[in-house]
Amino acid sequence: EVQLQESGPGLVKPSQSLSLTCSVTGYSITSNYWGWIRKFPGNKMEWMGYISYSGSTSYNPSLKSRISITRDTSKNQFFLQLNSVTTEDTATYYCARFGLRYWGQGTLVTVSS
Amino acid sequence: DVVMTQTPPSLSVAIGQSVSISCKSSQSLVHSDGKTYLNWLLQNPGQSPKRLIYQVSNLGSGVPDRFSGTGSEKDFTLKISRVEAEDLGVYHCVQATHVPHTFGAGTKLELK
Repeated sequence: EVQLQESGPGLVKPSQSLSLTCSVTGYSITSNYWGWIRKFPGNKMEWMGYISYSGSTSYNPSLKSRISITRDTSKNQFFLQLNSVTTEDTATYYCARFGLRYWGQGTLVTVSS
Repeated sequence: DVVMTQTPPSLSVAIGQSVSISCKSSQSLVHSDGKTYLNWLLQNPGQSPKRLIYQVSNLGSGVPDRFSGTGSEKDFTLKISRVEAEDLGVYHCVQATHVPHTFGAGTKLELK
């Protein structure tokens, strides 16, 4: 069974970087596409970007140059880095496989001083 | 970006009632490969989103057949026949035809 699990700090200070890890079991990340999605307080959801089986990436232009998605195929993990965070980045962050059949449990990240 | 207009924002229903949720996109969701990448998700309280429907009308794995999806191009509908208590939560449509992928604002299904 395919499983994803997010990990990382739950609290980040404004202007710092948010870094999360998604650990995947049951499926190789060298197949398919793997992405990050966040849900803001309320119901709004935002697709942040994905990394492909080959390591190429695609990002939401709204995140401009703040976002980076990378991977470690030896550990079957992929990563999210979001730079220069503000309180507006407070959200629950999910990793998911393209097609959205498989999701992590989500991790709440609060941006606050 | 493709704007996904989802209505209604909330629904109050009785168990056993049937309901429909609409999702309209600002552009056609037909991909150059001929497929239409429109999904429907349900997020129950405290849980991760679950995919109900993919590519407009295909039922997700383990999803009851009281859920159905229809539509084409820019106009899509999710229908729930005979609502059960486990169906309560927030529903989202999401398109993956165009980058960035975009979500509808959500429909909260509550018990009457």
